[in-house]
Amino acid sequence: GAVVSQHPSWVICKSGTSVKIECRSLDFQATTMFWYRQFPKQSLMLMATSNEGSKATYEQGVEKDKFLINHASLTLSTLTVTSAHPEDSSFYICSARRRLAGRNTQYFGPGTRLTVL
Amino acid sequence: AQSVSQHNHHVILSEAASLELGCNYSYGGTVNLFWYVQYPGQHLQLLLKYFSGDPLVKGIKGFEAEFIKSKFSFNLRKPSVQWSDTAEYFCAVNVGYGGATNKLIFGTGTLLAVQP
Repeated sequence: GAVVSQHPSWVICKSGTSVKIECRSLDFQATTMFWYRQFPKQSLMLMATSNEGSKATYEQGVEKDKFLINHASLTLSTLTVTSAHPEDSSFYICSARRRLAGRNTQYFGPGTRLTVL
Repeated sequence: AQSVSQHNHHVILSEAASLELGCNYSYGGTVNLFWYVQYPGQHLQLLLKYFSGDPLVKGIKGFEAEFIKSKFSFNLRKPSVQWSDTAEYFCAVNVGYGGATNKLIFGTGTLLAVQP
């Protein structure tokens, strides 16, 4: 159990376009989902925390208007990179925390590699 | 600010050698501690976690970690590594409880290469 999927697994887009990445918890309900960004040879950096039915909480330095997060249901959160630029190219990873879980364990998706030309 | 440091960025071992990866964190309050592993081309998987109780935690695939509160450390160990342990290992600390403020802070990762 505790499988998290992401779609797409990789995407290439032109500068100025928007890209949507989906994160789904396949076999459990997730009240909270997290979005991370990972640069090559670096660690995961938390971008934002998204709670079902409410606005996401963004980390300092992350532009909320550029990285739109929607957590419409207990199994789906989306990250939209608006007006993407080459510097947005990165590996985006989501994680989900089980609803009603007594412990704070996050389960990670496989990641989405975004390349902006 | 809270931070997690992993001292070894790249470790190369031969099969059957013992492994110890260091992890230190800076946070004065109660923490939850994790080790995640990322095999080549795969997503992050939980190896083990510590919340409370016995500071020696056993995880999957023969890994264990010891929480030493006085040293703010949570080192990962395995007595005998295998080639299949080649992966990147991340230490993470969870600060805050519940709600939107709960989050994981990751170390920079340690790339382990096990030579057959």
